[in-house]
Amino acid sequence: GQQLNQSPQSMFIQEGEDVSMNCTSSSIFNTWLWYKQDPGEGPVLLIALYKAGELTSNGRLTAQFGITRKDSFLNISASIPSDVGIYFCAGQGAGGTSYGKLTFGQGTILTVHP
Amino acid sequence: EADIYQTPRYLVIGTGKKITLECSQTMGHDKMYWYQQDPGMELHLIHYSYGVNSTEKGDLSSESTVSRIRTEHFPLTLESARPSHTSQYLCASSASFFGLMNTEAFFGQGTRLTVV
Repeated sequence: GQQLNQSPQSMFIQEGEDVSMNCTSSSIFNTWLWYKQDPGEGPVLLIALYKAGELTSNGRLTAQFGITRKDSFLNISASIPSDVGIYFCAGQGAGGTSYGKLTFGQGTILTVHP
Repeated sequence: EADIYQTPRYLVIGTGKKITLECSQTMGHDKMYWYQQDPGMELHLIHYSYGVNSTEKGDLSSESTVSRIRTEHFPLTLESARPSHTSQYLCASSASFFGLMNTEAFFGQGTRLTVV
C-alpha cells in the first residue's frame, strides 16, 4: 500500500519557538490533511489541503500542499504548552486501488517546555 | 464539530468473548473507516466502506469484521477476543470526493479495548 514518511518523529521545544514538520510520499495524493491527537482521544482535523501548491493558515498553523502532490508541511508559530500532542499527516489516494483511501504518517510527538 | 460517535469509550473483556464496537455518524457521509492504533503510534487502516453494503479490508490484517447496513452505522465485531487485540480502535467518516462537500475525515473519540 501507499506509505507516508513523516518527520521528525519527535520534537522537544521551548514555549514561543516555531515548529515545522513534513510528510513525503512516493505516491500522488489528491488531498492532504493534518491532525492533532491528544492522549486517549481521536485525531482532530487542523487543516485540509485540496490543490497542489495550496498554502492554508488556521491561526498559528500554516500548511502547504506540495507542487508535486507528494509532500506537505505543517508549521506552528509561537508554540504554547497546549500545542503538546501527536501530529499526523494524512493523504487521500489519487487513483487505482488507493482512490479515496486515507493513509497516515507515523506521527510527530511534540513536547513544549514552558 | 464532528458528529461521529463511538461506544463504548473503554472496554475490558475476557479472552474468548464476542464484542462489537459501535460507530455512528450523523453527517450523511458515505465513506467510513476503522483504524487501529497502539498508544503513541501511527494509525493503521483495518476496514473501510464506500457506502451501504460496501466493505473492504484495510492495509493491516485484522481478525475483526465489519458491516454497513445503514449509511450512518459501521460496527466492528470480534468473534473471539484475545489479548493481542488490545488496542485503541478509531472510527472515521468522510464525504465522497465527487460530491460538493469537503473530503475531510472526521474521527470519533475512539474505543480503548483491553482483553485480559
